[in-house]
Amino acid sequence: EVQLMESGGGLVQPGGSLRLSCAASGFAFGSYAMSWVRQAPGRGLEWVSHISGSGDTTYYADSVKGRFIISRDNSKNTLYLQMKSLRGEDTAVYYCAKEPSSYCSSTHCSHWFDPWGQGTLVTVSS
Amino acid sequence: QSVLTQPPSASGTPGQRVTISCSGSSSNIGTNTVNWYQQLPGTAPKVLIHNTNQRPSGVPDRFSGSKSGTSASLAISGLQSEDEADYYCAAWDDILNGYVFGTGTEVTVL
Repeated sequence: EVQLMESGGGLVQPGGSLRLSCAASGFAFGSYAMSWVRQAPGRGLEWVSHISGSGDTTYYADSVKGRFIISRDNSKNTLYLQMKSLRGEDTAVYYCAKEPSSYCSSTHCSHWFDPWGQGTLVTVSS
Repeated sequence: QSVLTQPPSASGTPGQRVTISCSGSSSNIGTNTVNWYQQLPGTAPKVLIHNTNQRPSGVPDRFSGSKSGTSASLAISGLQSEDEADYYCAAWDDILNGYVFGTGTEVTVL
């Protein structure tokens, strides 16, 4: 069974840093791209970042570019999100998700997420 | 902030058919495949439809997806009480070079 388990969330002051982890099991971790998605309290879903299976390619939402870094350790089956210069608007539940399909052909791109972890709450407040 | 627009709410009685729309642009829905996620209260999202009209194993065939131009739709036929949830469309955006979600639609079973 594929399982994703996030950890590392908590309360942090504005301007602070935090590193989230996502432990994966039940599949060939290094063969799949992964993403982080967040959801502010009472709000909708917002994609945060993507990393390819090898870790060579990364993408970020404009809202976190330059402040967050996505990485992975395929030997440990673990995905990371290093967050710095945190702001109140970064307060959210952060989910990691496996991308069963992740490609762009000459005609279209296909990315989707399944499964998702249970999420970890990050609260940015003084 | 979301680039994909959905109606905030939809409702129906048990057994009815409900359709949720998702409006985008040529850089996302117009070019790329569309996905739909269901989020039950207090839980993580779950994929309902991927690659515009494909259902993962375990998803009832009451759920179906389609796309026309820069808009997509999710149809729920034979609405059931357990379908009460938030539904999000999503697609890759070629201009943003990122994944975009819809604004979300809350489905209520009357």
